[in-house]
Order: sequence, then structure tokens, then C-alpha cells
Amino acid sequence: GAGVSQTPSNKVTEKGKYVELRCDPISGHTALYWYRQSLGQGPEFLIYFQGTGAADDSGLPNDRFFAVRPEGSVSTLKIQRTERGDSAVYLCASSSDRQNNEQFFGPGTRLTVL
Amino acid sequence: QQQVKQSPQSLIVQKGGISIINCAYENTAFDYFPWYQQFPGKGPALLIAIRPDVSEKKEGRFTISFNKSAKQFSLHIMDSQPGDSATYFCAAIPYNTDKLIFGTGTRLQVFP
Repeated sequence: GAGVSQTPSNKVTEKGKYVELRCDPISGHTALYWYRQSLGQGPEFLIYFQGTGAADDSGLPNDRFFAVRPEGSVSTLKIQRTERGDSAVYLCASSSDRQNNEQFFGPGTRLTVL
Repeated sequence: QQQVKQSPQSLIVQKGGISIINCAYENTAFDYFPWYQQFPGKGPALLIAIRPDVSEKKEGRFTISFNKSAKQFSLHIMDSQPGDSATYFCAAIPYNTDKLIFGTGTRLQVFP
């Protein structure tokens, strides 16, 4: 079956603009995760959804970042008033259940803020 | 703060050799330790994982060794192949959560 897909694959924006990044998880996966990977670093956790609700948003760096998953499937990560420091690859992952089940990652969206 | 430290940052191995990557953690409240492999332009993919009640796990050419008292775990890649050239991340999941805490990564290059 299809894996996790993310759109767009690349996004270039200007400082101060608003961006939305989309994630389509594997069909039937109830858990969805967002991570951010800066160049040369490991991914850093941002937020985790179980169904429609955000079960853990402790990794969101500030209130400019927000994510939704209104129907328990597709998720959108929203970044307001983008800053150059937001430039990174944003990764989405999904898993079939909780308790350490394998997280399947998408290819990521490379965000560049000029 | 929960952290996972990884070394070396980069590793060059000849084809057929053994690649060894080490990780250490600073918090005892982890209960799952996966290793991920990442190729350029791709997301990380699970390679192998271990729980703290097991000291070693082997899957094909990949072995995890886990030392609970030392809070260390390592990945061994036997008979390394050029196709193994990638970046490897160790990770840990804290108890009662599902978020992965990643190490900083090791870039492995296997030369023929």
C-alpha cells in the first residue's frame, strides 16, 4: 500500500509569510506525528495526534506553530509569521497504534524561509 | 532534559567490514530503543529496535547491543555493503509517551 505522503516536497517562502504543510498518513493509522529536522541533525519531535486530538504538543517551539487533524486522517502543520530559523525539513510519521509501534515516515517537506 | 548522544559523527568502512555506532542516554525513563536509517531526500526508516529487558537483538547483518547499567546501546552492521551507506540515527522513546528522541546521527560510508 501507499506510504506516508507529504506535500509540497519543497516550499520556499519569505520571512513573515504563512505556510501550510500537509501530511497524508498510511490508511488506517490512528497515530500521526510531526518532527522537524535541521541540517545535519536528528529529527526533533513537534506534536503527536491520536485520532483527531493532539495527545502531546510539547515539542511545538512557540505559538506560531499549530497543527490540526480534523477528521483523524490528513494533518496540516501551520506556521505563522515564518522566520529564517524555521527553515528545515518537516517530517510526518504515522503508526497503527500506541505503545511503541513502528513509526513510518514520509519523505518530508523542505521549508526554506528567505 | 532527556537526551540521546550518538557517536561517531561520521564513519568510513571498507566493504565487508564491521560498522559500529554507539549511543548513550541520560535518563532512565526510556523503554524502547529503535535505530533508523535515512537516505538523502528520504524520511528515516526503522532498521531494528530493542527493549531494555533484552541485552542483544540480531536481524540479519544488523545487531543491537544494549547495556542497561551503562545506559548505552550500539548498532553493529556486519559485512558492510556500499548499499548501507546512509545516515543512521539511534532513538529512544520515554515511558508512557510515543515521541521519538533522536540522536544526532552518524553518516556511514562503505567503500568497495
